[in-house]
Amino acid sequence: GQQVMQIPQYQHVQEGEDFTTYCNSSTTLSNIQWYKQRPGGHPVFLIQLVKSGEVKKQKRLTFQFGEAKKNSSLHITATQTTDVGTYFCAGWNSGYALNFGKGTSLLVTP
Amino acid sequence: NAGVTQTPKFQVLKTGQSMTLQCAQDMNHEYMSWYRQDPGMGLRLIHYSVGAGITDQGEVPNGYNVSRSTTEDFPLRLLSAAPSQTSVYFCASSTRGDRGVDIQYFGAGTRLSVL
Repeated sequence: GQQVMQIPQYQHVQEGEDFTTYCNSSTTLSNIQWYKQRPGGHPVFLIQLVKSGEVKKQKRLTFQFGEAKKNSSLHITATQTTDVGTYFCAGWNSGYALNFGKGTSLLVTP
Repeated sequence: NAGVTQTPKFQVLKTGQSMTLQCAQDMNHEYMSWYRQDPGMGLRLIHYSVGAGITDQGEVPNGYNVSRSTTEDFPLRLLSAAPSQTSVYFCASSTRGDRGVDIQYFGAGTRLSVL
């Protein structure tokens, strides 16, 4: 079945540094989604990418979808303490439920 | 709208006990899912449903049952709790939204400990 892998598992940065997490799928994805989970909270939808090579930006966050639609990345420019949390990528399983990667936990120290 | 509501928020069980985790959504979503989250393991799909009366297994279904008698409710039953089922459980619902974006909305989670 489809497997979604993320690296790194953990990342600790100083506030103001950049951060990137990478997502790879064992199969071609129709689309990929990114979620953020704050400590003690629940996952919250950030964005969906659909097109090959697509790049989307949300303020300091930049999301990319690979040309082969098997990989994706999330880049945060100039991290802030509010960026702390776990970032998950996810691909749809048979169109009805999401397969999540294991996530990248980001810690930002001031 | 309340969104996705899970009850209880916390639960402690003894090995062998059974219980039901409740999940309700008020967004008229067709799709509902149950995930468990363990440290370092991400979110793993237990069961999902594409509509009332239709359910299917996910990645880790053993030890859990589900049913979907209404669009709103999707309870998860633990038949005989085991320590390996200690986890945080999330219920989610989704529908095909604007421009084909299928956002999953998650409940606040149920933190379950099995002793």
